[in-house]
Order: sequence, then structure tokens, then C-alpha cells
Amino acid sequence: DAKTTQPNSMESNEEEPVHLPCNHSTISGTDYIHWYRQLPSQGPEYVIHGLTSNVNNRMASLAIAEDRKSSTLILHRATLRDAAVYYCILRDVEGSNYKLTFGKGTLLTVNP
Amino acid sequence: DTGVSQDPRHKITKRGQNVTFRCDPISEHNRLYWYRQTLGQGPEFLTYFQNEAQLEKSRLLSDRFSAERPKGSFSTLEIQRTEQGDSAMYLCASSSYVDTIYFGEGSWLTVV
Repeated sequence: DAKTTQPNSMESNEEEPVHLPCNHSTISGTDYIHWYRQLPSQGPEYVIHGLTSNVNNRMASLAIAEDRKSSTLILHRATLRDAAVYYCILRDVEGSNYKLTFGKGTLLTVNP
Repeated sequence: DTGVSQDPRHKITKRGQNVTFRCDPISEHNRLYWYRQTLGQGPEFLTYFQNEAQLEKSRLLSDRFSAERPKGSFSTLEIQRTEQGDSAMYLCASSSYVDTIYFGEGSWLTVV
């Protein structure tokens, strides 16, 4: 599986935008970029995914570099409920089972 | 909202005892995954089912672990002769073909 690199931790203030980076220099053409987050004592929660174009949904935006070797998850206005571990994962759509391979993710702290 | 349901949510057991976890996937999801997560780490893949067929098992799944998915509906994960190193959160997830993977809340196991 192609690897991703994320900062171990980041800090933000409430109601400010947050940009969570992810590097994936070995990404292949069939890898989708997925983001999940995990709140304390809960299972991972799907946030957003994309292939080449930037994506928006009600939770966040995903900005993908033109060469696809990096991406950024954008939370437009952080709230205390956004404090979680955020995982950037490459998922190969041509793989036989499409499983997700998690790294350690980025622990986001949101200050009031 | 009928998401992925896991039972029990918490289990404390003595070393050497057997434990079984149950997972009810989202209705009509044909793919089911089991993961294990220890403190400070991301979830680690254990095994994957497509309908009733177990198609992939991680090396993490020792011979004390067995998973089943009879009739392609709910799944069970049994751990025999538990060891303290088995203490972790066991996560179940499901998806429909190449669709988004959704996780349950997890089952916490503590082996004393």
C-alpha cells in the first residue's frame, strides 16, 4: 500500500480554519485519497475522499495538489467537536478488497 | 439510523478465557471488515469478508482468533485463550462494493 505522511499533532483555535496536510509522494493513478477522523473512544468516521479534483462536503473540503503527491483537509471553522485524530489514507480502487490501511494520523487539538 | 452495530461495547475477561464479539453491518452491505486498535495507534486490519466468504486474513490474526460471517449477514470474532496482549478495541466496518467504509463504535476488550 502506498504510504502517507502526516504531522503527529496540530493545534487550532475555535472558529478558525484548520488545514491538515498529508504527503503521499508514491501515490498511484488508481489511489483515491480518503480522510477519516476518530473522536475519543469512538470508531473512525468518514470525512471526505477525492481522486484528482478538489472536493467539498458538509464536513470539510479536500484540496489535492496537481501532481497528487500531497493533499490538504480543510475544516472551515473548527469547533471543539472537531478535536480528533485525522487519518489520511490511500485506497486503491483496483485492489481486491479495498481495505483501508491506517497510519498514526494527526491529533488535532482545538482551543476554546 | 442503522449504522454498524457492535456488541458488547466493553468486555473484561480473565486471561485464558474465550471471548466473542458480534458485528451487525449496515443492511445490504456485502463487505465486512474487522480491525484492532491499541492505545496510540491507528486501527490495524485483521480480516475481510465478501458476503460469507473470508477473503483475506492478516498475519495479526493468530490461530487463537477466528471470524465467521454465516449467511453473509452478521459476523462474529472469537478470541480463544485470551492473553493480556489481546487487550484492545476491536472495530467492525462494512461497505457495499467500492462504496465508503463505515465503522462501528468498537468493542473494548480488557484482559486481566
